[in-house]
Amino acid sequence: NFRLTQPQSVSESPGKTVTISCTRSSGSIASYSVQWYQQRPGSSPTTVIFGDNERPSEVPDRFSGSVDSSSNSASLTISGLKTEDEADYYCQSYDNTNHVVFGGGTKLTVL
Amino acid sequence: QVQVVQSGTEVKKPEASVKVSCKVSGYRLTQISMHWVRQTPGRGLEWMGGFDPEDGETIIAQKFQGRVTMTEDTSADTAYMHLIRLRPDDTAVYYCAIGTETPLEFDFWGQGTLVTVSS
Repeated sequence: NFRLTQPQSVSESPGKTVTISCTRSSGSIASYSVQWYQQRPGSSPTTVIFGDNERPSEVPDRFSGSVDSSSNSASLTISGLKTEDEADYYCQSYDNTNHVVFGGGTKLTVL
Repeated sequence: QVQVVQSGTEVKKPEASVKVSCKVSGYRLTQISMHWVRQTPGRGLEWMGGFDPEDGETIIAQKFQGRVTMTEDTSADTAYMHLIRLRPDDTAVYYCAIGTETPLEFDFWGQGTLVTVSS
């Protein structure tokens, strides 16, 4: 199985932009879609990005996703940070045997 | 409107088993891809297994093979996750997660079921 590696934590000020990375250890990042989930304390995860860069209709366009084959990584970018964006963020993908893997999660602090 | 409702908190002794249910409303089970994910205290999400779109069967993560069974009652649109030979490190919140458009992209999650394993 492959791994998805995320930074443990990131922090940024309100109004700024932050990017969270997700690096795939083996297999091409571009071959399997990447999803990003937001999880607030005490709540279930919710999707902020699916299919590498698609947003559910209820997610603001401040959230965007991208994939970079050269670094074999995906990124979640949140612009115009708000205090309500403070949460844990997880990337997720799968492999050619349909095994699903989650990244270890990144704690976003907006201060 | 989609709803995913799980069964309630469980407290079990080591070596016991637990069965968590997940009822789906708004979709028929046969229309979706059902998966189970757990989250241990203070840690991240761990996929346990779920629907394999390749053959329509259930695929189980290697770590849980031999200890977990995932079943479905399609007449009641309810899925079950049965974990046996519980250990204290199985203490976690167990989620069902469903994919409605794409099998391995989870767009709805249950509220989670806390399972505590302690003697």
